Amino acid sequence: AQSVTQPDIHITVSEGASLELRCNYSYGATPYLFWYVQSPGQGLQLLLKYFSGDTLVQGIKGFEAEFKRSQSSFNLRKPSVHWSDAAEYFCAVDPNQAGTALIFGKGTTLSVSS
Amino acid sequence: DTGVSQDPRHKITKRGQNVTFRCDPISEHNRLYWYRQTLGQGPEFLTYFQNEAQLEKSRLLSDRFSAERPKGSFSTLEIQRTEQGDSAMYLCASSLGGQEAEAFFGQGTRLTVV
Repeated sequence: AQSVTQPDIHITVSEGASLELRCNYSYGATPYLFWYVQSPGQGLQLLLKYFSGDTLVQGIKGFEAEFKRSQSSFNLRKPSVHWSDAAEYFCAVDPNQAGTALIFGKGTTLSVSS
Repeated sequence: DTGVSQDPRHKITKRGQNVTFRCDPISEHNRLYWYRQTLGQGPEFLTYFQNEAQLEKSRLLSDRFSAERPKGSFSTLEIQRTEQGDSAMYLCASSLGGQEAEAFFGQGTRLTVV
């Protein structure tokens, strides 16, 4: 079945430590790929996106993500987490590459400990 | 603030009542999307408009739901005969259209059906 999977429901990271959030997708062709962040009371904000080309993409707030076709993955990383990064993170795909419906994963909640 | 605006932010209604939500997209954005997000889940696509035309509807959009975008600007989402299962956050997003246009999300309307 076509799906977007975020295996980790909740992750806790110490401030200053590195972060990796996992995302796997199951679609026949490589979809457009996105990471969004949602803070309490805030709308979803786009962190970064992948359409084609360089498989390592840079985003806002120091985040990056790497597309791995062989693993159908698009994992989000940050070398040093700040307390303000605590939020919910969603991986999303545009399976039709049409700028229409996005399919979201269930999200990963990130907590940052001091 | 020129972001996507949603009204109301919160709505509590009794089961069986009708409710209507409004979304004002970013000016000049010709695509407008509605999503629903329940607790612990990622947003789920409901429908989208290209200008005033409703071009795609999800199977989640039962016949109790209707969305309009009469002049290609703001949009309304109406739910008739609300059920407790309709309790969710309803998110609106807009984009300039095109394959690679970024979708900007509003803060959502939280509906509670009692």
